[in-house]
Amino acid sequence: KQEVTQIPAALSVPEGENLVLNCSFTDSAIYNLQWFRQDPGKGLTSLLLIQSSQREQTSGRLNASLDKSSGRSTLYIAASQPGDSATYLCAVGDDNYGQNFVFGPGTRLSVLP
Amino acid sequence: KAGVTQTPRYLIKTRGQQVTLSCSPISGHRSVSWYQQTPGQGLQFLFEYFSETQRNKGNFPGRFSGRQFSNSRSEMNVSTLELGDSALYLCASSLAASGFNEQFFGPGTRLTVL
Repeated sequence: KQEVTQIPAALSVPEGENLVLNCSFTDSAIYNLQWFRQDPGKGLTSLLLIQSSQREQTSGRLNASLDKSSGRSTLYIAASQPGDSATYLCAVGDDNYGQNFVFGPGTRLSVLP
Repeated sequence: KAGVTQTPRYLIKTRGQQVTLSCSPISGHRSVSWYQQTPGQGLQFLFEYFSETQRNKGNFPGRFSGRQFSNSRSEMNVSTLELGDSALYLCASSLAASGFNEQFFGPGTRLTVL
């Protein structure tokens, strides 16, 4: 059974810092991995999707990497801003279609002005 | 292009009642997945529908059911509501084509069971 963990559970940083969020999964036979952000009481916003054959994806100040063999993914946020404050979730798609996501518990990020 | 929409946004029910939630996917998306989010259990997968067929199912009791219509819209039904069913219910849609399986989430329906 796939299990996904995220470290740290919470993080508070001053504006402008670069930061790394970590995601680990127990079964390396994944189809894809997707990073989301969730604002309080809201739905999820897709940030980056990495297919199992890819090593990394980039979008603006965000970069996500995937190392299947070690069961790890990292989300790198450059030059953090207060608007980046949210909960960040990683989700692993481990079925043949990549639609059955197993979610991690999330990292709650606060960027202080 | 309109995003994923869910109705209603908020719902209050009492124990023993049943409830139906609706999800309209992004135009052209054929896959709809449902998730339950609670503070204690986090986000948990309920089921996924593709072309009107349930393709995958999570570990939830039979009180939770769903269906998908020919226009890809999906409904989720919960019968005999329990207090523990109080949660944010999220649906996600995807093209579900090879290389295009990114999931896009709706705003959710917050269900409160009294």
